[in-house]
Amino acid sequence: EDKVVQSPLSLVVHEGDTVTLNCSYEVTNFRSLLWYKQEKKAPTFLFMLTSSGIEKKSGRLSSILDKKELFSILNITATQTGDSAIYLCAVSGTASKLTFGTGTRLQVTL
Amino acid sequence: DGGITQSPKYLFRKEGQNVTLSCEQNLNHDAMYWYRQDPGQGLRLIYYSQIVNDFQKGDIAEGYSVSREKKESFPLTVTSAQKNPTAFYLCASSSGTSSYNEQFFGPGTRLTVL
Repeated sequence: EDKVVQSPLSLVVHEGDTVTLNCSYEVTNFRSLLWYKQEKKAPTFLFMLTSSGIEKKSGRLSSILDKKELFSILNITATQTGDSAIYLCAVSGTASKLTFGTGTRLQVTL
Repeated sequence: DGGITQSPKYLFRKEGQNVTLSCEQNLNHDAMYWYRQDPGQGLRLIYYSQIVNDFQKGDIAEGYSVSREKKESFPLTVTSAQKNPTAFYLCASSSGTSSYNEQFFGPGTRLTVL
């Protein structure tokens, strides 16, 4: 059975801090790892990672995958209150379905 | 405007009733999915469909049923057999059946059983 574990479960930081969110996984026939941001309702797509060692970057967010150690990290630099959300990690294996972790709840305070 | 719509936004149900949640997409996506999200938990897959007139059970299909008669629509019925149906339900779609296609989510339906 595919499994995704995210840590920490929740995190409170001050605006301007840098945070690192972790995602480890076990999946049969790994295809891709995805990060989503969920603020109030619908998760919104952030990154899809398929290859080890290649950093994906979008503004202050970046992510990298290690397929040997079976984990990914999501970094957010210079955090803002608008970054407050639940960050979800998901992996896909042989089928097109995704297995999600429980998410990391990030709160950025002034 | 392309996207995924879910209705209703909030739904209240009495115990023993069946209810149907609507999910419609105009993205021309082949695959559609239903997830359930409980507080402190991630998304759990209920059912998914990779093509019209075909669907597969996810990890927690018991007490739920779906149909996929049209490409745009993937309604979910929560039956009275579902023991603990109060949750947030999310519908998603993706452009292909490959594992390399990201899923796009609708705004969700919050179901409460009274």
